[in-house]
Amino acid sequence: DAGVIQSPRHEVTEMGQEVTLRCKPISGHDYLFWYRQTMMRGLELLIYFNNNVPIDDSGMPEDRFSAKMPNASFSTLKIQPSEPRDSAVYFCASSLGGVAHNEQFFGPGTRLTVL
Amino acid sequence: AQKVTQAQTEISVVEKEDVTLDCVYETRDTTYYLFWYKQPPSGELVFLIRRNSFDEQNEISGRYSWNFQKSTSSFNFTITASQVVDSAVYFCALSEGSGGSNYKLTFGKGTLLTVNP
Repeated sequence: DAGVIQSPRHEVTEMGQEVTLRCKPISGHDYLFWYRQTMMRGLELLIYFNNNVPIDDSGMPEDRFSAKMPNASFSTLKIQPSEPRDSAVYFCASSLGGVAHNEQFFGPGTRLTVL
Repeated sequence: AQKVTQAQTEISVVEKEDVTLDCVYETRDTTYYLFWYKQPPSGELVFLIRRNSFDEQNEISGRYSWNFQKSTSSFNFTITASQVVDSAVYFCALSEGSGGSNYKLTFGKGTLLTVNP
């Protein structure tokens, strides 16, 4: 079975440009998570969805960031306008919900560089 | 608020040595879940183990073992007879279980383990 798929794997853009990161969760998983990893702040949860509905977006740094999940097999994280401090690795993860707090399966990440 | 502390930023060992990675957590919930993830140089995050707060039994999986002690709020990870392939960043994480569907994972800062041949 395919794991979590993210695209692009690498993105280099200039400050002020719009950036869209994409994620396809594992089929059948009903939770989707977006994380950001930087050297300074480590791994941070940005937002997560349950059955395509955003549940907690308290980790989204500011209004420049937005995330959508139009259907069970696709999610986007958009940054508009991008800034150099947004440079990081962005991970998408999915899990099968339930009482047991199942493990999250992570995608390979998108390395974003904003010049 | 939940918090995870991995005090060891970097550890370097020689192959075949045993190594323990420390994890201390803070939570006000009585129900919670602890995780360890591995991030090898390739960058992906790999799930290693999940433990709930009601199960303090230690676990062994091959060369890996985990020691969960609620009394000290610790969930330490030991690799026995380390190998070069164990070189990675290891993350401890916590998810609080109350509130029905709170699946937020809080990660520690990670410990970079380097196993030298």
